[in-house]
Amino acid sequence: DTEVTQTPKHLVMGMTNKKSLKCEQHMGHRAMYWYKQKAKKPPELMFVYSYEKLSINESVPSRFSPECPNSSLLNLHLHALQPEDSALYLCASSLTRDRNYEQYFGPGTRLTVT
Amino acid sequence: AQKITQTQPGMFVQEKEAVTLDCTYDTSDPSYGLFWYKQPSSGEMIFLIYQGSYDQQNATEGRYSLNFQKARKSANLVISASQLGDSAMYFCAMRVTGTASKLTFGTGTRLQVTL
Repeated sequence: DTEVTQTPKHLVMGMTNKKSLKCEQHMGHRAMYWYKQKAKKPPELMFVYSYEKLSINESVPSRFSPECPNSSLLNLHLHALQPEDSALYLCASSLTRDRNYEQYFGPGTRLTVT
Repeated sequence: AQKITQTQPGMFVQEKEAVTLDCTYDTSDPSYGLFWYKQPSSGEMIFLIYQGSYDQQNATEGRYSLNFQKARKSANLVISASQLGDSAMYFCAMRVTGTASKLTFGTGTRLQVTL
């Protein structure tokens, strides 16, 4: 099973709202990632968690707050977003972050900020 | 710094034909991995194939094969016997070993399979 699940599939939120994106995998992977993808562009790395600890933050604004409650779950908390944050948010996981293991992606959450 | 270049923004191929999607890369590190992902319009990035820089043989996975030419720094994806379901965006990506898990993606090639 190489499945990464993400909820919700679609999210519309106002600039003053607080919402969360959720990601789950049961492959025993110890590295989990958040990517942001704008239309017709490649994914851009936002955060990397390794063994439930944040190991990379690609200078992401503080209105995005990641959380890894356990080895299977990854959340992205959203607060006071801007319209330009509208994008596809992809979660991925890999066995570990230390070697060139392939990353498995979820279906993404399409976020629209109004 | 690492760079991936995909020079074909769009490609057409007839069903049952083979197609090659180009990818060139640039890195000074000797140890790296090359990946191809497929992204249908639904959005999910689907892992297709992996090639390590020290691998002696070209990678193959079913109808997918990777034409790895190290001296030319190219890692082209070959899809044999194209199917309508192969219509999607295809991304080439690279990770230099030891660099903090960061995948560097190319700009992608949109493949359309026609009858």
